[in-house]
Amino acid sequence: EIQLVQSGAEIKKPGESLRISCTASGYTFSTYWIGWVRQTPGQSLEWMGIIYPGDSDTRYNPSFRGFVTISADKSTNTAFLQWQSLTASDSAMYFCARSRSSRNPFDPWGQGTLVTVSS
Amino acid sequence: DIQMTQSPSTLSASVGDMVTITCRASEDITNGLAWYQQKPGEAPKLLISMASTLRRGVPSRFSGSGSGTDFTLTISTLQPEDVATYYCQQYSEYVWTFGQGTKVEIK
Repeated sequence: EIQLVQSGAEIKKPGESLRISCTASGYTFSTYWIGWVRQTPGQSLEWMGIIYPGDSDTRYNPSFRGFVTISADKSTNTAFLQWQSLTASDSAMYFCARSRSSRNPFDPWGQGTLVTVSS
Repeated sequence: DIQMTQSPSTLSASVGDMVTITCRASEDITNGLAWYQQKPGEAPKLLISMASTLRRGVPSRFSGSGSGTDFTLTISTLQPEDVATYYCQQYSEYVWTFGQGTKVEIK
């Protein structure tokens, strides 16, 4: 079974750093893209960026470039989404999801990681 | 970025009704369109890719159509388990973008 399992919910203070993870199983991790999607409370979905673990080719939504870093570790079949300095506006649910290529949609998705940033 | 506009934002229908959701792209995306279903507290799930290809395991009451800029998701006979928010997404070009969602409720 193809699965993406994300790390647990996080509560952080403004200015703190954070890295959340997405661990894949059931397929060859390095040959599929992994993307990240943000969902704010009651809002729609925003595509943040995507990485190809095979060669670490990464594409960012310009709205998120410079604010987050997407990376992947082939040795552990894990993709990461990282912030250096969180703000309250980063509070949201974050999903990882797999894509076969830039011309294929996301399938499947991870269960989501809730990030809360509050002083 | 390509803007995706869904309508309606909320839809209330009876069990057994046919339900139609529309999605319009701000420019031609050929058939690079997906539909997802998100139930409360869950992650989105892919229903349809390439505008009209039903994902394996998705009930046949779901169907998609359209190309270019105008697309439709149809549920032929609404079931109680179809209560969810439905999103369209274009993956024709980066930045991938989603519609704002259509919440489907049972009347």
